[in-house]
Amino acid sequence: EAGVTQFPSHSVIEKGQTVTLRCDPISGHDNLYWYRRVMGKEIKFLLHFVKESKQDESGMPNNRFLAERTGGTYSTLKVQPAELEDSGVYFCASSRRTSGRAFIGEQFFGPGTRLTVL
Amino acid sequence: QQQVKQSPQSLIVQKGGISIINCAYENTAFDYFPWYQQFPGKGPALLIAIRPDVSEKKEGRFTISFNKSAKQFSLHIMDSQPGDSATYFCAASTIYNQGGKLIFGQGTELSVKP
Repeated sequence: EAGVTQFPSHSVIEKGQTVTLRCDPISGHDNLYWYRRVMGKEIKFLLHFVKESKQDESGMPNNRFLAERTGGTYSTLKVQPAELEDSGVYFCASSRRTSGRAFIGEQFFGPGTRLTVL
Repeated sequence: QQQVKQSPQSLIVQKGGISIINCAYENTAFDYFPWYQQFPGKGPALLIAIRPDVSEKKEGRFTISFNKSAKQFSLHIMDSQPGDSATYFCAASTIYNQGGKLIFGQGTELSVKP
């Protein structure tokens, strides 16, 4: 079974440019999460999809960030326009969907996309 | 406001020694406490997890100790090996509500010297 994949692995852009990160979750995983780690700090939650719907986007920093999940499969995270403080490693994670109050399940992380904004 | 505080930031241990990483949390609604291990160039991977209804969980050389009243939990790595050198993150979550989003500590870089 393939794990969570992310593309690109690295991205270096100028301030003001646009960057789009992609995440392909494990097949069959309805839950998809985006997290970010700024250098030396904790990994911070950005948002959570259940299939194609945004369940929780309370961690999104501002309206320069736009996340989509087409057809409940892969997800993209667009930063437009990028600022210096957006630099960091962006992780995607996925987990199985369970019904009712059952445990949502272990989150499997991708290798991350390292974004550098100059 | 950081809801999960982790210490130390870095740790150097001799091969065969015990590595101990501590975390403290604030939100008493948290009911799931996983530890993740991350190697360079890889994403975090679940190492071991505990629910607050038990005080200890052991898997091989890895043990979580949990103190609900103190709102603290720790990871103990017995007989530490150079292959254990990695970054360790504690986390907390409410697994039934809030979609299971993980609240992470700052991470501990562990180096095990041969």
